[in-house]
Amino acid sequence: GAGVSQSPSNKVTEKGKDVELRCDPISGHTALYWYRQSLGQGLEFLIYFQGNSAPDKSGLPSDRFSAERTGGSVSTLTIQRTQQEDSAVYLCASSLGEGEYNEQFFGPGTRLTVL
Amino acid sequence: GQNIDQPTEMTATEGAIVQINCTYQTSGFNGLFWYQQHAGEAPTFLSYNVLDGLEEKGRFSSFLSRSKGYSYLLLKELQMKDSASYLCAAHGSGNTGKLIFGQGTTLQVKP
Repeated sequence: GAGVSQSPSNKVTEKGKDVELRCDPISGHTALYWYRQSLGQGLEFLIYFQGNSAPDKSGLPSDRFSAERTGGSVSTLTIQRTQQEDSAVYLCASSLGEGEYNEQFFGPGTRLTVL
Repeated sequence: GQNIDQPTEMTATEGAIVQINCTYQTSGFNGLFWYQQHAGEAPTFLSYNVLDGLEEKGRFSSFLSRSKGYSYLLLKELQMKDSASYLCAAHGSGNTGKLIFGQGTTLQVKP
């Protein structure tokens, strides 16, 4: 079956521009997560959605970062006024529901490069 | 604070056994995951431990000691395709399911 998909796979942008990253979770998965993986670093949690609401936004690094989820499915991560330090691979994951017993399935990621 | 520690790099020989250690300190703990990530690809699930002890799954086993804040991933009969990064991730307190990841251990399997 279809896994988690993300688009675009690569995005190169200029400093100061806004970018939108998209995630399509596995159908039926109510939980959705965004993580960031910088070069040589571990995955860093950004935000968690349960349905369309985001009960945990604690990992968003600044107010330039925002995310939304519509219809309990597709999610968009928006970065405004991008900075060079935003360059990273942005990974999306989904799971059946909240709680510790639900394996998270990851998408292939979007590699963002800010020049 | 929350901290996950694992070695940055390891090297092993094809056919051998390798153990990748992970220590964690989290505010609350619900379980520990291991993921495998090949270069340029998405992490894929390997194992999940919530109770103390060893979980075996084919060539891969994972161990957890909650009292020591310690886990390891054991890979047996290493194959060249096992060359990848291995990510240790703890599920902390609360019920959001968010994972706290270590920096990953890059394993190189040599012939």
